[in-house]
Amino acid sequence: GESVGLHLPTLSVQEGDNSIINCAYSNSASDYFIWYKQESGKGPQFIIDIRSNMDKRQGQRVTVLLNKTVKHLSLQIAATQPGDSAVYFCAERPPPGNTGKLIFGQGTTLQVKP
Amino acid sequence: NAGVTQTPKFQVLKTGQSMTLQCAQDMNHEYMSWYRQDPGMGLRLIHYSVGAGITDQGEVPNGYNVSRSTTEDFPLRLLSAAPSQTSVYFCASIDARGSGNTIYFGEGSWLTVV
Repeated sequence: GESVGLHLPTLSVQEGDNSIINCAYSNSASDYFIWYKQESGKGPQFIIDIRSNMDKRQGQRVTVLLNKTVKHLSLQIAATQPGDSAVYFCAERPPPGNTGKLIFGQGTTLQVKP
Repeated sequence: NAGVTQTPKFQVLKTGQSMTLQCAQDMNHEYMSWYRQDPGMGLRLIHYSVGAGITDQGEVPNGYNVSRSTTEDFPLRLLSAAPSQTSVYFCASIDARGSGNTIYFGEGSWLTVV
C-alpha cells in the first residue's frame, strides 16, 4: 500500500505487505530528514534519517528515499507487521543547519490488518 | 538514564490561568525544543534553545515563554492560558553531535484549557 501524504493521511495495508508512506517537504535547502513513528498516547520515536547528499538509506525493514528534485521523501516498510500500526511523521531540518530546529509534516496513519 | 522527563502529564486550566510545563534531560544535550500537537496534525515547533541562556522562536511562539538557565532544564510557561492552547505538548532534547539531529522526546503533557 502507498500513501500520498496530505491527500491520503491514512494508509491501510495487509499484514505481510510492503508499505510506502510519502511526504512532501517544504524547504529545498533542508539538509537533513528524519522519519518518526508515534504510537497512541506516546511521544514520537526515531526510525531512520537521511542527509541531503544521499538518495537512499536502509535500516532494518525500513528504507528511506529522498528525491530532492521534487522535494519528496518516502518511507518503505517491508513485511508490515501489526506492531507497525502508528502515525508516521517526516521532519526536515531547514537552514541555517545545525540548530536542532526541525519542521514536521502532518503525518500519515498506518493501519495494519491481520 | 531517565532521558527526557516532562511534568505534569495531565493538566486542566481555566482561561487566564498561568502555568509552567517542566522539562528536564540528563543527556547533556545542548539543543532542546518544545512542540505542540493538535488532533490530526503534526508537531509544531513553539520555541527552541541551542544552549543555556539562548532561546529562539519556532513556528507558533505566541502565548508561550521559555527560558534556559541550565543545560538540563527547559520550562515552557503559559502566562494567560487560552482554549486555543488546549493541546499535547512534547519537550525534546536533541543530540546534535555529528551531522545529524537525533531527537529524544518526552512522553507528552496533555493540557486542557476550559
